[in-house]
Amino acid sequence: DIQMTQSPSSLSASVGDRVTITCRASQGIRNDLGWYQQKPGKAPKRLIYAASSLQSGVPSRFSGSGSGTEFTLTIASLQPEDFATYYCLQHNSYPWTFGQGTKVEIK
Amino acid sequence: QVQLVESGGGLVKPGGSLRLSCAASGFTFSDYYMNWIRQAPGKGLEWVSYIGSTNIYTHYADSVKGRFTISRDNANNSLYLQMNNLRAEDTALYYCAGGWGGTPAWWGQGTLVTVSS
Repeated sequence: DIQMTQSPSSLSASVGDRVTITCRASQGIRNDLGWYQQKPGKAPKRLIYAASSLQSGVPSRFSGSGSGTEFTLTIASLQPEDFATYYCLQHNSYPWTFGQGTKVEIK
Repeated sequence: QVQLVESGGGLVKPGGSLRLSCAASGFTFSDYYMNWIRQAPGKGLEWVSYIGSTNIYTHYADSVKGRFTISRDNANNSLYLQMNNLRAEDTALYYCAGGWGGTPAWWGQGTLVTVSS
């Protein structure tokens, strides 16, 4: 099974800060990765697919990069509504696996 | 617009069975793969099962293999998860999710399964 190691597990940042979340795959997964945002009591929402493609309707402050084993989600300028937990998901091989999640808190 | 509505969750005793359903609308259901993904209370997301656009290709997490069966009825735009021999660790909110672009684009709101005596 492919393990997805996500870091950090939580972070606290101020409005306007640049935030970076990383997922590392235990083996190469090409660009077969998506990023999700989940707010309390809500279903996850896809932000990024194919590692770097922005989902329609998602603000351009969100971006994804990486290929192979290292992937990054960047929020260019953190907004109050970005308080949430973020997950990566690899779909390169079964079983699909999620990262452990990163909880983003607003300072 | 795309809608996925799960149903069938509830309280069941260990060893019991439950069948989850997901009603899809707003897209051509038969064109897309679908998944079940779960989230235990206060925990992260766990992929459970995948089914291709037809019933031919299915995949399961090791934790449910042999106990859960995914299926779909394209004529009725419905996805199912038959869950047998349920365990306490299967307690979770179960999401129906599918779509395009590799990882699921569309998600329902989930149905809660509680396994407890």
